Amino acid sequence: DADVTQTPRNRITKTGKRIMLECSQTKGHDRMYWYRQDPGLGLRLIYYSFDVKDINKGEISDGYSVSRQAQAKFSLSLESAIPNQTALYFCATSDKRGGRYNEQFFGPGTRLTVL
Amino acid sequence: GQNIDQPTEMTATEGAIVQINCTYQTSGFNGLFWYQQHAGEAPTFLSYNVLDGLEEKGRFSSFLSRSKGYSYLLLKELQMKDSASYLCAVRRPSGAGSYQLTFGKGTKLSVIP
Repeated sequence: DADVTQTPRNRITKTGKRIMLECSQTKGHDRMYWYRQDPGLGLRLIYYSFDVKDINKGEISDGYSVSRQAQAKFSLSLESAIPNQTALYFCATSDKRGGRYNEQFFGPGTRLTVL
Repeated sequence: GQNIDQPTEMTATEGAIVQINCTYQTSGFNGLFWYQQHAGEAPTFLSYNVLDGLEEKGRFSSFLSRSKGYSYLLLKELQMKDSASYLCAVRRPSGAGSYQLTFGKGTKLSVIP
């Protein structure tokens, strides 16, 4: 099955460490997204990319950076992790060719804890 | 700013019908999505409305009124497995012919026997 995968699934780290979260997809989609989810705050968009040469900031990009290494890979980095970046992180993909709904497909999530 | 409101929590009985409301005020509108998310899992697509009216999909229906900035998700014949969070999301333009989703905070539905 075409899929969206995220690694690692769980990570505990310390304040000040550099962390990279990776997302890969076999759906052949051109568009990829990073969200974080916090209790009571819902899903918020961090960065998104519509092709390999395209990177756009979302509503909460401060403290994060991304790299689109290939159409199928989109990585999220925390250069110097801080405790309020503790959250559940989701990668998502969509296809610009659409289909009826052009919905986003989400990966399984990475639970990040910053101590 | 973007504002999408939905109730935080709801409880309903197995076999019953429940309606989850969503109101929105956003800069631009190109459709409204409902996603289901079980605890600790990824959101999964449920429904999409871009025109006013009702879309039906088995036990799930979604309604949209663009003039009122209002949508609802209707779940019929509730089952225990419907216990989950339901996320309302508005697709809006983000420049250069592209779009992004803005999500509400989600409604946690508990189905009780």
